[in-house]
Amino acid sequence: EAGVAQSPRYKIIEKRQSVAFWCNPISGHATLYWYQQILGQGPKLLIQFQNNGVVDDSQLPKDRFSAERLKGVDSTLKIQPAKLEDSAVYLCASSSQQAYGYTFGSGTRLTVV
Amino acid sequence: DQQVKQNSPSLSVQEGRISILNCDYTNSMFDYFLWYKKYPAEGPTFLISISSIKDKNEDGRFTVFLNKSAKHLSLHIVPSQPGDSAVYFCAASSNTNAGKSTFGDGTTLTVKP
Repeated sequence: EAGVAQSPRYKIIEKRQSVAFWCNPISGHATLYWYQQILGQGPKLLIQFQNNGVVDDSQLPKDRFSAERLKGVDSTLKIQPAKLEDSAVYLCASSSQQAYGYTFGSGTRLTVV
Repeated sequence: DQQVKQNSPSLSVQEGRISILNCDYTNSMFDYFLWYKKYPAEGPTFLISISSIKDKNEDGRFTVFLNKSAKHLSLHIVPSQPGDSAVYFCAASSNTNAGKSTFGDGTTLTVKP
């Protein structure tokens, strides 16, 4: 079974620029998550999708972050404009239902300078 | 207010000995607890979990203990192996949204040969 795919692996941008991350979940997994992990901290949920609908986006900074999951499969997370404090690893995860425990991708490390 | 806390940022043990990683939580709505293991440059990997209806769950060398009255759980690794060296995250979920996990900040375990 192929894992959760994410790209790019690394990204360096200047503040106020925009950036987008892509995630392809495990085939058949209905639930997809985006987490932000700041260095030295645990992952924090940004948004949770069930198929192509949003289940929870209470911690997503909606003034600059947006996410979509078209057709209930792939997902993109966008930041516009980026701030220095957005430097983090952005992790995508998926699960077969709203199940406990899921599979993470390797993440995208974003550095904002 | 951090709802899941791992108060020990790091732990070092000798190969073959027991590793005990601790986690405390404050939200009484949490009813499912998970441990993830993370190697550098990889996403977290699900390790073991426990429901609040149990006080112990065992899987090979890994055992998780839950003390609901103290809002405390621990992960025991016996015997510890050098390959267990990683960051371990404790996470908690509630049945209001089984998919959403709240993570602690992690404990870095080093197992010395």
